[in-house]
Amino acid sequence: DMQMTQSPSSLSASVGDRVTITCRASQSISNYLNWYQQKPGKAPKLLIFAASSLQSGVPSRFSGSGSGTDFTLTISSLQPEDFATYYCQQSTSTPFTFGAGTIVDIK
Amino acid sequence: QLQLQESGPGLVKPSETLSLTCTVSGGSISSRSYYWGWIRQTPEKGLEWIGTIYYSGSTYYNPSLKSRVTISVDTSKNQFSLKLSSVTAADTAVYYCARVVWSTAPQFDYWGQGTLVTVSS
Repeated sequence: DMQMTQSPSSLSASVGDRVTITCRASQSISNYLNWYQQKPGKAPKLLIFAASSLQSGVPSRFSGSGSGTDFTLTISSLQPEDFATYYCQQSTSTPFTFGAGTIVDIK
Repeated sequence: QLQLQESGPGLVKPSETLSLTCTVSGGSISSRSYYWGWIRQTPEKGLEWIGTIYYSGSTYYNPSLKSRVTISVDTSKNQFSLKLSSVTAADTAVYYCARVVWSTAPQFDYWGQGTLVTVSS
């Protein structure tokens, strides 16, 4: 199976900070990479698909980049509602696999 | 607005079969543009894709679960279902159903709220 490694596993940040989360695939996945946000007790929410395309309704402070094996999710100015766990997911081949998640909490 | 809702028993005995149904509202499960999937989540293993189905009945399963999983669709009821046989405590998880946009980078764009299934005697 394709392994997805996220870093860091957690980070503390303040409102207004620029936050970057990294996801690395064990093999090249082109741009077949999606990002999700999950809040406690809720289902994941799609933020970014195909590495850099913003899902409809998602604020523009979220952006994604990368291709091949290395990807990043950036939040340009962290807002209070952005404190959550973020997951990457590859869809280049089944089984689709997810990263272990990055917890973004309040500093 | 598309909505998905999981339903089924919250408690299943070891060795028995877990059965869940996902009811889709606000859209047709027979849309040619989408697939439908099941994902589960545990603290130990995180998010795990179980499998995906098309309205025609074509399925894709996670090889790690394939021998125990059956996903089916009922277009007349706008529902799809999951059956997982011979469950153990390791199958205790929150189970989500989701819509899959099968395009560049197939993605899960709509999710149900999730349902906790506990495997215990």
